[in-house]
Amino acid sequence: AQKVTQAQTEISVVEKEDVTLDCVYETRDTTYYLFWYKQPPSGELVFLIRRNSFDEQNEISGRYSWNFQKSTSSFNFTITASQVVDSAVYFCALRGGLQTGANNLFFGTGTRLTVIP
Amino acid sequence: KAGVTQTPRYLIKTRGQQVTLSCSPISGHRSVSWYQQTPGQGLQFLFEYFSETQRNKGNFPGRFSGRQFSNSRSEMNVSTLELGDSALYLCASKGTHYGYTFGSGTRLTVV
Repeated sequence: AQKVTQAQTEISVVEKEDVTLDCVYETRDTTYYLFWYKQPPSGELVFLIRRNSFDEQNEISGRYSWNFQKSTSSFNFTITASQVVDSAVYFCALRGGLQTGANNLFFGTGTRLTVIP
Repeated sequence: KAGVTQTPRYLIKTRGQQVTLSCSPISGHRSVSWYQQTPGQGLQFLFEYFSETQRNKGNFPGRFSGRQFSNSRSEMNVSTLELGDSALYLCASKGTHYGYTFGSGTRLTVV
């Protein structure tokens, strides 16, 4: 079965602090893809990153960075020097399916991040 | 290029009615998926269409159906609406890579 766990329901930080959002996944597929999406109050899911299971290299994009560790089935997301505009709900998602056939996105329950000015 | 367009943005319906939501994917994308988002159940997969064929289906009752047209535009239909169908319905468009682009959603309220 495919499962994504985001244990942190809500996080509040003061502007300019760093914050890490945790994501743990479960899958029987050996080839899979992991995603992070941002959902502002407008409702649209904004794509942030996609990683495949064969690429464990960490990635940095501006103030955003991602740490993918297959050994612990985790794909954590760090925002450095947080800003008020980072306030949103963040979703981690898994797409497997090449072995199990479940080739849709499975989402975690999301982490609501509030950045306090 | 234009993003994913979902219409309408907001909808209020009465229990027992039916509703049709529309999604126009990114030009050239042939895959359209639908997701339901509720506070209680989170984001759940409804179905995926590719080249006018339903390729995958989530665990929803038969009241939820969809279709895709030759221009890749997709519609989803919910018949005999229930209060629990109140949700944000999101459509995702996918091209040849594994990235999904979502629309702004249709917020359905059933009263």
